[in-house]
Amino acid sequence: QSALTQPRSVSGSPGQSVTISCTGSSSDVGGYHYVSWYQQPPGKAPKLMIYDVSQRPSGVPDRFSASKSGNTASLTISGLQAEDEADYYCCSYAGSYTFVFGGGTKLTVL
Amino acid sequence: QVQLVESGGGVVQPGRSLRLSCAASGFTFNYYAINWVRQAPGKGLEWVAQTSNDGSNKFYADSVKGRFTISRDNSKNTLYLQINTLSDEDTAVYYCARAGASPYFDSWGQGTLVTVSS
Repeated sequence: QSALTQPRSVSGSPGQSVTISCTGSSSDVGGYHYVSWYQQPPGKAPKLMIYDVSQRPSGVPDRFSASKSGNTASLTISGLQAEDEADYYCCSYAGSYTFVFGGGTKLTVL
Repeated sequence: QVQLVESGGGVVQPGRSLRLSCAASGFTFNYYAINWVRQAPGKGLEWVAQTSNDGSNKFYADSVKGRFTISRDNSKNTLYLQINTLSDEDTAVYYCARAGASPYFDSWGQGTLVTVSS
């Protein structure tokens, strides 16, 4: 159950787009259609942003989109806003009712 | 609305035990699997354990297997996590998180901080 690999940090200016990658293996990301993404503002609890690779829960802006190719999933945030500044975590189902998270990516809005 | 409220954290000496609780409201508790996820200070999220909706199935991360026990009391709408033989590595905020219709976590509590220190 090794953590998924995410970049430590990404940044962008308001209005720009950023993409956060999440790399695993065929035992997790590549093996299942069950990648989810969570937003965690400083000092707060995580919030579900994407589930089942690319599905947005109700209330999440369509500026947030996601996809997967092979063992790598990606989250794209377009039209960056100051309120998007937070840590972002990917998570994959890893079989046998277990889960693995990525190490987290700090998004800075310049 | 869905609400999950964790409690039971605090400062505990190494080697001691602790039981965390998560009180649920705003949804039909016995319909959902529930998870514990922890986050060490300044670190990332780590999935810890899951219990099925009726408590009959329990699953654990390899890192906690044998020391942690997840359980639930559906009559009290409450989830528990028993942690034995605490070590420094268990210092973390512990979140309870409701499972979604497929493998993801759709609602989270605010967490309870466990600090292992002598």
